[in-house]
Amino acid sequence: EAGVTQFPSHSVIEKGQTVTLRCDPISGHDNLYWYRRVMGKEIKFLLHFVKESKQDESGMPNNRFLAERTGGTYSTLKVQPAELEDSGVYFCASSYGTDYEQYFGPGTRLTVT
Amino acid sequence: GESVGLHLPTLSVQEGDNSIINCAYSNSASDYFIWYKQESGKGPQFIIDIRSNMDKRQGQRVTVLLNKTVKHLSLQIAATQPGDSAVYFCAENGDNFNKFYFGSGTKLNVKP
Repeated sequence: EAGVTQFPSHSVIEKGQTVTLRCDPISGHDNLYWYRRVMGKEIKFLLHFVKESKQDESGMPNNRFLAERTGGTYSTLKVQPAELEDSGVYFCASSYGTDYEQYFGPGTRLTVT
Repeated sequence: GESVGLHLPTLSVQEGDNSIINCAYSNSASDYFIWYKQESGKGPQFIIDIRSNMDKRQGQRVTVLLNKTVKHLSLQIAATQPGDSAVYFCAENGDNFNKFYFGSGTKLNVKP
């Protein structure tokens, strides 16, 4: 069974540009989460989808971040326009039903210069 | 927000020794805790979990201890191996089982 995949693995963009990160959860997992780890600090929750609906987006930093999960399969996280403080590793995770265990993808390292 | 912290950012141990990684949490309503292992270039990987109605849970070479009185969690790794070298995160669910709060991580270095 394939795990959670994320694309790209690394992205380097200039301040003011736009970047879109993609996450493909484990097939059949209706829960999808985005997390972010900035500069060696703790991993912070961004938002949670149940199928195509946003269940909790309390961790989204500001309106420059837009997450979508059309069709309830893969998800995208767009940052527009990117700022220096957006640099970090963005993780996606998925889980099945009411299971606590979340399976993480390898992350996308975003560098904003 | 929640506060989950680790006492030691870096831990170096000799191969074969036991390792203990500690974590403090702040939300007494948390009822589920997970330890994750993150190797270089990979995402966090589930190691072991424990619910608040337990004090101790054992896995293969790993044991998690939960002290709810002082809101403390620890991960014990027996006979540490080079493959155990990674960053370890503790996480608590706060008051929402779908939303986890992570600590900043402890890097474990295993010396041969």
